[in-house]
Amino acid sequence: GQQLNQSPQSMFIQEGEDVSMNCTSSSIFNTWLWYKQDPGEGPVLLIALYKAGELTSNGRLTAQFGITRKDSFLNISASIPSDVGIYFCAGLNYGGSQGNLIFGKGTKLSVKP
Amino acid sequence: DVKVTQSSRYLVKRTGEKVFLECVQDMDHENMFWYRQDPGLGLRLIYFSYDVKMKEKGDIPEGYSVSREKKERFSLILESASTNQTSMYLCASSLRQGPNEQFFGPGTRLTVL
Repeated sequence: GQQLNQSPQSMFIQEGEDVSMNCTSSSIFNTWLWYKQDPGEGPVLLIALYKAGELTSNGRLTAQFGITRKDSFLNISASIPSDVGIYFCAGLNYGGSQGNLIFGKGTKLSVKP
Repeated sequence: DVKVTQSSRYLVKRTGEKVFLECVQDMDHENMFWYRQDPGLGLRLIYFSYDVKMKEKGDIPEGYSVSREKKERFSLILESASTNQTSMYLCASSLRQGPNEQFFGPGTRLTVL
């Protein structure tokens, strides 16, 4: 089946540093989504990308839909302690079941004050 | 704001018990999903539904069933709970047409003793 490779698996950074994480796929996706999950909570949608090459920002977060449609990255600038959590990428391929997302396994972010 | 609610945040059941997990969304979404989340395995799709009374198996349906009698409500049923079903269960919903972002509930942490 389709798989998403998300890296890195975990990151330990100092407050104020920038963060970068990415997802790659063996298949083409039509939509890329980035979620954040706080401990004990459900994932919350951060950014949605719909077009190859699209670059979208949400505050200190910036995400891009790769031009090949097989990858996406998420950057967080000037990290703060509340950025701690697990970040998931998810992709949608209309060739698969309608509306079903493929998820990466997540990047666990730890921020040291 | 889209709101997806789940009936319980924490649940403790005994092996062999029948368990019902309820999910309700208030945005008139056609699609609803049940996932389980385990460390190192990410999010795995159990069942999904495109419409009332319709259901489709996801990647790991064994040991589970679902019910969708009303558009806003999607129930996950463990007919005879087992210890390997101890997990975090997440419900999500999305539109059938247009943006396919899935919106998640807060999750139910189920422990089977």
